[in-house]
Amino acid sequence: GENVGLHLPTLSVQEGDNSIINCAYSNSASDYFIWYKQESGKGPQFIIDIRSNMDKRQGQRVTVLLNKTVKHLSLQIAATQPGDSAVYFCAEITPPTDKLIFGTGTRLQVFP
Amino acid sequence: KAGVTQTPRYLIKTRGQQVTLSCSPISGHRSVSWYQQTPGQGLQFLFEYFSETQRNKGNFPGRFSGRQFSNSRSEMNVSTLELGDSALYLCASSLAGLAGPSNEQFFGPGTRLTVL
Repeated sequence: GENVGLHLPTLSVQEGDNSIINCAYSNSASDYFIWYKQESGKGPQFIIDIRSNMDKRQGQRVTVLLNKTVKHLSLQIAATQPGDSAVYFCAEITPPTDKLIFGTGTRLQVFP
Repeated sequence: KAGVTQTPRYLIKTRGQQVTLSCSPISGHRSVSWYQQTPGQGLQFLFEYFSETQRNKGNFPGRFSGRQFSNSRSEMNVSTLELGDSALYLCASSLAGLAGPSNEQFFGPGTRLTVL
């Protein structure tokens, strides 16, 4: 995949455990954040998003937390499954440009 | 509903050549964004098109250009190819783009460009 060779931080978790993937974003003016999942050989897949007027948003098995004070974003995956193994990217948008700026990514490895 | 499609999936070119990549968005989506993904630089935004107009642009040289047609299909062109242009080029479509009320972007599988 495209991320081979890139030294990505790796999170290894056991199947069934909860995973927490962290991201520090760069611009305090960013007002919209997205988490993407990218499996080997595929394009990124939207997981969940959150706007800066919220500090928590829940989806199916996933929760995103936003801490604007320290410019920190986290993705929590409940009951992690082997199919969750992928590289996870956070992305931010800073008005008025509305350009999507991606973080470097975290590789999640799920073992039985 | 068909997903985002990109053609070709793989491409090999030599330095100095030019290349055109194509992206067909999901039916009804009017925004198409292009990204470059490399092991060294990660995912970087190239540009976004909405209703045939370039709405946002990343920090890439003028050798990188694009356009969008009335059916929302988009093409990206890179002229005078350099070795460093070798990358996975991804396009993503959404209903109204990142500035719209429904921001979810759907990515295609990408075109892997190798410059020799």
